[in-house]
Amino acid sequence: AQKITQTQPGMFVQEKEAVTLDCTYDTSDQSYGLFWYKQPSSGEMIFLIYQGSYDEQNATEGRYSLNFQKARKSANLVISASQLGDSAMYFCAMSGYSSASKIIFGSGTRLSIRP
Amino acid sequence: DAMVIQNPRYQVTQFGKPVTLSCSQTLNHNVMYWYQQKSSQAPKLLFHYYDKDFNNEADTPDNFQSRRPNTSFCFLDIRSPGLGDAAMYLCATSRVIGGRNNEQFFGPGTRLTVL
Repeated sequence: AQKITQTQPGMFVQEKEAVTLDCTYDTSDQSYGLFWYKQPSSGEMIFLIYQGSYDEQNATEGRYSLNFQKARKSANLVISASQLGDSAMYFCAMSGYSSASKIIFGSGTRLSIRP
Repeated sequence: DAMVIQNPRYQVTQFGKPVTLSCSQTLNHNVMYWYQQKSSQAPKLLFHYYDKDFNNEADTPDNFQSRRPNTSFCFLDIRSPGLGDAAMYLCATSRVIGGRNNEQFFGPGTRLTVL
C-alpha cells in the first residue's frame, strides 16, 4: 500500500527566508511520481511541481524545488525567498505508474509567512 | 485558458434535500475526479471517470452519485445530504491515470453548507 507522511502540521517563516516542507513516502512500486500542491484559503488546489522516481535531477519550477532522496523515500519541497502570498496549505502526493494508480495525498502542512 | 470550472462556488442546501454540483473542463482530459475535503484535511477521493468508465471508491457512501454525460462535464449528486456532508467538493482532471506526468488539475471547488 502507498502512504504519504507530512510531519509538520504548521510552520511559521519570516518573509524572504527559504523554507523546507517535509514529505516522506512509502510504496512498493518501482515507478512512481511525486507531486506538491498548494491550497490557498480560497480552496483551489494548485499544482506546483512533479518528480518522477527515475528522474536523476531534482525538479525545479521557479522558486520551488524538490529535494528528492530516493533511498530515504523523501521528497521535500523547498521554497526559496518566501513571499506573503506563499501562505497556504501544502500537500505532498504520490501516484504509481500503473493504469490503476490514483494520486494519494498527505495530511498537509499549513505554512504561514510573517512580514 | 484551458481550465476546470466548478459551479456554484458556494451551495447551501437543507438537510435531506438533493443537490447537484457541476464541473466542466476545457482541457479535453480523459479522467475526471470528485473529491470531498473537510476542514484542514487532505482531499478524499469519492470516485472518478476514465472516459465513460465509472470507478467508485470502496468507502464512498451510496448517498453520493455521479454522472458524466460527455467528456467536458461531470456532475456530483448528493441524494439526501446530511450535516456530515458539509465540505468542500473538488473536481479534478488528468490526461491519464498512472504513467509519467499524470498530475491532476483542480477546479476552485464548491463549498457545500447543509442546514
